[in-house]
Amino acid sequence: DAKTTQPPSMDCAEGRAANLPCNHSTISGNEYVYWYRQIHSQGPQYIIHGLKNNETNEMASLIITEDRKSSTLILPHATLRDTAVYYCIVRVGDNTDKLIFGTGTRLQVFP
Amino acid sequence: DTGVSQDPRHKITKRGQNVTFRCDPISEHNRLYWYRQTLGQGPEFLTYFQNEAQLEKSRLLSDRFSAERPKGSFSTLEIQRTEQGDSAMYLCASNGLTGGETQYFGPGTRLLVL
Repeated sequence: DAKTTQPPSMDCAEGRAANLPCNHSTISGNEYVYWYRQIHSQGPQYIIHGLKNNETNEMASLIITEDRKSSTLILPHATLRDTAVYYCIVRVGDNTDKLIFGTGTRLQVFP
Repeated sequence: DTGVSQDPRHKITKRGQNVTFRCDPISEHNRLYWYRQTLGQGPEFLTYFQNEAQLEKSRLLSDRFSAERPKGSFSTLEIQRTEQGDSAMYLCASNGLTGGETQYFGPGTRLLVL
């Protein structure tokens, strides 16, 4: 079972920030939080990951709470092309880094 | 373009037929993963290779499924005697030498079993 909980869907106006929450209350100290997204009929696309510090790259920012039990992915200026399913994943295990996906959040960006 | 390629992109077959999919990982990656995704669900792990060794198989990988990576480069996933329940997107991902590095996914092969 996935170790994360996400809302099933969210809407965001184009040009506004999209804030996607994720709960991972059972995360272990050495587990990372990864975010992927999947645009319809394509393979998942890596967005960003972090351990405990906030992270930013050209696609998004990742804010992790101090207790690491939750995080938020921020798309600062959402566009229509950001419409996708967003998956928050906690990487499991030491001997394998298979990814366990939940059902994600379907983000709909509207004009 | 992540660099992982899969072939074919789409496959339609009749129930009972065998199908084979190919995955070419990013060239410097020694780990290769197969996932399956059904409609409305997130991808589910099937199996993974480190170089040519198949190190883990999910219980989802029934006896009709076999995966190989003979030279530690490309991989094939074969499904024998396909069933309608095998209809899904089959995704391949790869990552580097050390555990924990980011997995990059290919575009997937969409299988429809009639």
